[in-house]
Amino acid sequence: ETGVTQTPRHLVMGMTNKKSLKCEQHLGHNAMYWYKQSAKKPLELMFVYSLEERVENNSVPSRFSPECPNSSHLFLHLHTLQPEDSALYLCASSPEVGNSNQPQHFGDGTRLSIL
Amino acid sequence: GESVGLHLPTLSVQEGDNSIINCAYSNSASDYFIWYKQESGKGPQFIIDIRSNMDKRQGQRVTVLLNKTVKHLSLQIAATQPGDSAVYFCAENRENSGAGSYQLTFGKGTKLSVIP
Repeated sequence: ETGVTQTPRHLVMGMTNKKSLKCEQHLGHNAMYWYKQSAKKPLELMFVYSLEERVENNSVPSRFSPECPNSSHLFLHLHTLQPEDSALYLCASSPEVGNSNQPQHFGDGTRLSIL
Repeated sequence: GESVGLHLPTLSVQEGDNSIINCAYSNSASDYFIWYKQESGKGPQFIIDIRSNMDKRQGQRVTVLLNKTVKHLSLQIAATQPGDSAVYFCAENRENSGAGSYQLTFGKGTKLSVIP
């Protein structure tokens, strides 16, 4: 149990579908993150939220839309995805974004497959 | 460019032996480094971290060494066990161009296989 819970664990969707990934952290952290993990590639940071405010958006296509209603919950809304978007999507949290000496804690991810 | 990378993509170790996983980084401004372990079907799990004002830090069966002169980081696992089989990532944490936020940059990972 890492304190960061992601649902669903697996998701298969067509390119025209709309779905959402959910992340919940029980660690009392103020910062939350979305990462994409593809085969044979390093983890890619997608979005960063600090106290529900987006502070980083690393040139992610608009078909990925994050939402952070409160500091414990983070969503990633998916729409009109492409086959190359198939990957493991990881959520993480940390106490703050402005402190350099704090590790991020990860959930177990959602394995997304686009048909 | 600035990157974090791993010297060896795979490592096979006999059970009971010590394992050493290496990592190179190129950003001399990075001041905090983390090792993560990722088992199959799970997310990265924090193992140990080290700040740039240290050159060695020990945990339970793990030691991280930092050589800032050559920008090199290593993870040593003592008496490697089958449960240590996983992919290990190093990550550097550096400030985003004075923006006040910090970003983790990960290496590609080294797969450690423990031979019983």
